[in-house]
Amino acid sequence: ILNVEQSPQSLHVQEGDSTNFTCSFPSSNFYALHWYRWETAKSPEALFVMTLNGDEKKKGRISATLNTKEGYSYLYIKGSQPEDSATYLCAFKVNQGGKLIFGQGTELSVKP
Amino acid sequence: EPEVTQTPSHQVTQMGQEVILRCVPISNHLYFYWYRQILGQKVEFLVSFYNNEISEKSEIFDDQFSVERPDGSNFTLKIRSTKLEDSAMYFCASTHLAGNTEAFFGQGTRLTVV
Repeated sequence: ILNVEQSPQSLHVQEGDSTNFTCSFPSSNFYALHWYRWETAKSPEALFVMTLNGDEKKKGRISATLNTKEGYSYLYIKGSQPEDSATYLCAFKVNQGGKLIFGQGTELSVKP
Repeated sequence: EPEVTQTPSHQVTQMGQEVILRCVPISNHLYFYWYRQILGQKVEFLVSFYNNEISEKSEIFDDQFSVERPDGSNFTLKIRSTKLEDSAMYFCASTHLAGNTEAFFGQGTRLTVV
């Protein structure tokens, strides 16, 4: 059974804090790792699709790294803002057309 | 910006009734998916659909579930006889290509079975 785990489950930070969370996934049969941002009552929105070991991707204040050999990815948010409050989901993909296998998500709350 | 739309946003149904959840994927996308999230649990895969047929389905997707793309735009999920444990948020997703492209998700339909 392929399992994806995220930690922590929830995180409460102050505006301006930098934060990071972890996604652990199987190191075998890796095809891609996706990060999504999901705000309440909205659609999950893709942040990154990562495929190569050592990949680092950045979108504004958010960045992600990938280690496929040890099976983990980190998501970093620099200088958190209240609008970053959301659930961050990672999802593992085993083949080209295949399903996404999701972690349980990290719920981030940023207080002004 | 193109988006995946789902209707209804919330549906309440009695146990044993049939429900149809509707999705309009992005128009040039070729791969279609249904996922669901039971409250407090992980988002879980139900089924993928490509070239007018199911390409993969999970153990959850038993004979009570079916999918259709009846008219080239809508993508529907039917649950024939709902059970209490079918209560969940159901998400439709689509991708333009297979491979390393992001999936675009709808806002979800919250199904409550009473």
